[in-house]
Amino acid sequence: QSALTQPRSVSGSPGQSVTISCTGTSSDVGGYNYVSWYQQNPGKAPKFIIYDVSRRPSGVPDRFSGSKSGDTASLTISGLQAEDEADYYCFSYAGSSWVFGGGTKLTVL
Amino acid sequence: QLQLVESGGGVVQPGRSLRLSCTASGFSFSIYGMHWVRQAPGKGLEWVAVVPNDEISKSYADSVKGRFTISRDNSKNTVYLQMNSLRADDTAVYYCATGIGYYYDSWGQGTLVTVSS
Repeated sequence: QSALTQPRSVSGSPGQSVTISCTGTSSDVGGYNYVSWYQQNPGKAPKFIIYDVSRRPSGVPDRFSGSKSGDTASLTISGLQAEDEADYYCFSYAGSSWVFGGGTKLTVL
Repeated sequence: QLQLVESGGGVVQPGRSLRLSCTASGFSFSIYGMHWVRQAPGKGLEWVAVVPNDEISKSYADSVKGRFTISRDNSKNTVYLQMNSLRADDTAVYYCATGIGYYYDSWGQGTLVTVSS
C-alpha cells in the first residue's frame, strides 16, 4: 500500500496549461480504470473533479481533464485560473484496498 | 441533499481508544460502501478503511490494521471507526466519505483526533 507518486508542486500562469502526474503500479493505477482526482483548498474537505480516469462530474469545468497510460495517470488543467490554486490528489482502487497520491500543490503565478 | 456528519474526535492519550461516528442523510445509506480517510496536520490524504454495503469484505490500510475496526449500523445510517492503541502518528482530521462508484462524491466536514499525553 505505497502512496502513488505525484510531484510535490507545479505552477503556471493564468491561461496556461499544467499537467499533474500520478504514478502507481500494475496493482493499482495500471490495473484498474478507477483513478479519481480531488481538489482541496485549505481547511476544506476535498472535492472530486475527475472519476474513472477521465470522466468529469457535472459542474466541473471542462478545463479539467484526466487520462492514463500504463501505470501513470494524469490530470491536465487548461486555461489556468487563479481559483485553481489548491492541492490536488489522485486516488486509485487497488484490489481490496485504495490508495492516494502524496498530493501536488498547484500555484497560479 | 446528501450529507455526512462526523463526530467523536478529541484529545486522547497514547495507547487509549476512541470511537468516531459518521451519520449520513439524504441518500440510501444501506447500498453504499463507506470509507474513512484521514489527513495529518500539513500532510496529504490517507485512505484508512472501508466497509462495503454487505459488511463482508472490510479492508484496512496497513498502518491501522489490527488496531482500528470499521463497522456500520444501517438502521441508524451511521458508520463507525473504533480506534484502539492510538499513537501520536494517528493524529489527523478524520473524514468519512462515500460514492456509488470507485470514487468519493461526498465527504463529511471532518473531525480532529489528537493523540497526545
